[in-house]
Amino acid sequence: GNSVTQMEGPVTLSEEAFLTINCTYTATGYPSLFWYVQYPGEGLQLLLKATKADDKGSNKGFEATYRKETTSFHLEKGSVQVSDSAVYFCALSDPYTGRRALTFGSGTRLQVQP
Amino acid sequence: NAGVTQTPKFQVLKTGQSMTLQCAQDMNHNSMYWYRQDPGMGLRLIYYSASEGTTDKGEVPNGYNVSRLNKREFSLRLESAAPSQTSVYFCASKAGGSTDTQYFGPGTRLTVL
Repeated sequence: GNSVTQMEGPVTLSEEAFLTINCTYTATGYPSLFWYVQYPGEGLQLLLKATKADDKGSNKGFEATYRKETTSFHLEKGSVQVSDSAVYFCALSDPYTGRRALTFGSGTRLQVQP
Repeated sequence: NAGVTQTPKFQVLKTGQSMTLQCAQDMNHNSMYWYRQDPGMGLRLIYYSASEGTTDKGEVPNGYNVSRLNKREFSLRLESAAPSQTSVYFCASKAGGSTDTQYFGPGTRLTVL
């Protein structure tokens, strides 16, 4: 079946540091890949997505590239801010399953200190 | 547009009690989903509805039932609550395609004593 593996958290960084959160996946077909962010006490919001190999998703300074050869979709940001503190979820959507629901990783908590 | 709304926001139940979690979306989406979020486990799919009039089981359907009342509304019912159902429940909706974005509600935090 499909699965998503994310690096364990929490990740603690100082403001303006470089961020990488690793995400790898297993899927039967050619999935679409997503990063969602959850701020404290809120629901999940889409951060970025990529729908085919070599696509790069980007938003709010975050980037991730769909790497089919390494089955990865790592999230990066060049300079984090305190306001980026949240939980980040990597997810995939497999078009070959009828439900087209998301399969999520376990989430990575990011804490950015001033 | 309100997006996806859920009620209630918080609920405490005793073991064996029943309740219904309500979800509505105003984006004219075809597909709707119920997930539960537990610490360290990400979100797991309970039930989904690919279109109005259809519902199907997800990964963890035991102890739950759903109703797709119309295109807008998708409710989740716990017939006899158990402590293992203590969780945060999220409703989501999507236009339909696998590349489409899922939009999430704010969640319902449920505690079963």
